[in-house]
Amino acid sequence: GAVVSQHPSWVICKSGTSVKIECRSLDFQATTMFWYRQFPKQSLMLMATSNEGSKATYEQGVEKDKFLINHASLTLSTLTVTSAHPEDSSFYICSARGVQPQHFGDGTRLSIL
Amino acid sequence: LAKTTQPISMDSYEGQEVNITCSHNNIATNDYITWYQQFPSQGPRFIIQGYKTKVTNEVASLFIPADRKSSTLSLPRVSLSDTAVYYCLVGARADSSYKLIFGSGTRLLVRP
Repeated sequence: GAVVSQHPSWVICKSGTSVKIECRSLDFQATTMFWYRQFPKQSLMLMATSNEGSKATYEQGVEKDKFLINHASLTLSTLTVTSAHPEDSSFYICSARGVQPQHFGDGTRLSIL
Repeated sequence: LAKTTQPISMDSYEGQEVNITCSHNNIATNDYITWYQQFPSQGPRFIIQGYKTKVTNEVASLFIPADRKSSTLSLPRVSLSDTAVYYCLVGARADSSYKLIFGSGTRLLVRP
C-alpha cells in the first residue's frame, strides 16, 4: 500500500487563489521530504527539499515566496502555491525517504483558471 | 550529482523480455541505483534497487556490471500494463537528505 499520501489529488481554482497541498508519510518518520513538479510529457523537476523544523532548501529558479513549504512534523510537509496563476498549472509530486527506497505520493493535479 | 542517460523510448510486444539500459558514468562509490516506473497522472513507483552485480525481485531484475557505469533493468514477459515511463536514478542510499534528480526516462510502449 501507499506509504506516502498526498492530498488533494486534484484541484481547480481561480487565478490569484492560494492552494495548499499536503504530503504525509504514513508509516515512517521523514525528516526530509521533497517536492517535484512535472509538466506534460516531461520528467520530474525537483523544486525544493523540505526539512523538518527548519527552512526548506529551494532549487535554482524556484521562487521561495511563491512556493511556501512547511514541514512542521516528522510526517507532514505542506506546499502552498501562493497567488496561483495559469502558468503554475502542473502536476506536483511529493516524496519522502525513511528507510530506503524513496517513495512518492500520487501527485496533485493543479489547474488554475 | 551523477547524471544518467537512457533511451528516450522503446517498443515491445506482449510476452517479450524488455531490457532498458542506463548509463551513469560518474556514479560515486556510495551511490545506489534505483529504478522507478511512472504511469500518467501518478507518482513514480519503486521497481528495484541495487548496488552491484544482480538483484531480482518479483517484478524485475537489475544487472550491474563490475565498473557500475551502467545498469540494465530487465522486465520479463511484459504485458500491456507495463506501458509506462521508466526512470533510472543514482543516489547515496545512506543519506536521507540526498536529492534524487530525474533524467528524461524511457517511455516503454508494449503492443498487443
